[in-house]
Amino acid sequence: DAGVIQSPRHEVTEMGQEVTLRCKPISGHDYLFWYRQTMMRGLELLIYFNNNVPIDDSGMPEDRFSAKMPNASFSTLKIQPSEPRDSAVYFCASSQNRVPYFGPGTRLLVL
Amino acid sequence: GENVEQHPSTLSVQEGDSAVIKCTYSDSASNYFPWYKQELGKRPQLIIDIRSNVGEKKDQRIAVTLNKTAKHFSLHITETQPEDSAVYFCAARDSGGYQKVTFGTGTKLQVIP
Repeated sequence: DAGVIQSPRHEVTEMGQEVTLRCKPISGHDYLFWYRQTMMRGLELLIYFNNNVPIDDSGMPEDRFSAKMPNASFSTLKIQPSEPRDSAVYFCASSQNRVPYFGPGTRLLVL
Repeated sequence: GENVEQHPSTLSVQEGDSAVIKCTYSDSASNYFPWYKQELGKRPQLIIDIRSNVGEKKDQRIAVTLNKTAKHFSLHITETQPEDSAVYFCAARDSGGYQKVTFGTGTKLQVIP
């Protein structure tokens, strides 16, 4: 299995631009998680899905953040408009009856 | 909701010594406790886990212990090596229908050669 796949791996953008992060979970996993990691806040759960349905989005920081999971093999996290404080590593993870297996992350820098 | 606290935030040990990282959790319904290791620039990776019906689990140089009554669990690394240097996260998963996983704040372990 290829594991969780994320794209892009690195993203540099300017403040105000829209950013879309993509994730392909491990086949057969029914949970998908989006995490954000920064030095200041550590590893934060933003949102998670079960069977493509959003279960808990209480970690989404603001309305500028949105996430979708149109099917079992794809999810997006969108930031619109982006701000410098959104700079972080964004991890997607998936699981099936256990705990999250993390993707390689997307390192986002908003200038 | 669940709250997981982790101590210490940083830990330096000499190569060959032992390292212990401690976590507490708040929700007595949590029933599964994984530990992750994150090397610099890499993803967090599961290294060991323990279920609530087990008090201790060992895998080579690492072991985890769980005290359900006190709601705390610990990671023990013996005979530390430089490659053990990383950030370690504890986590707790609740037993509810949606299996939410809550992470601790991480411990940066440095093993000094």
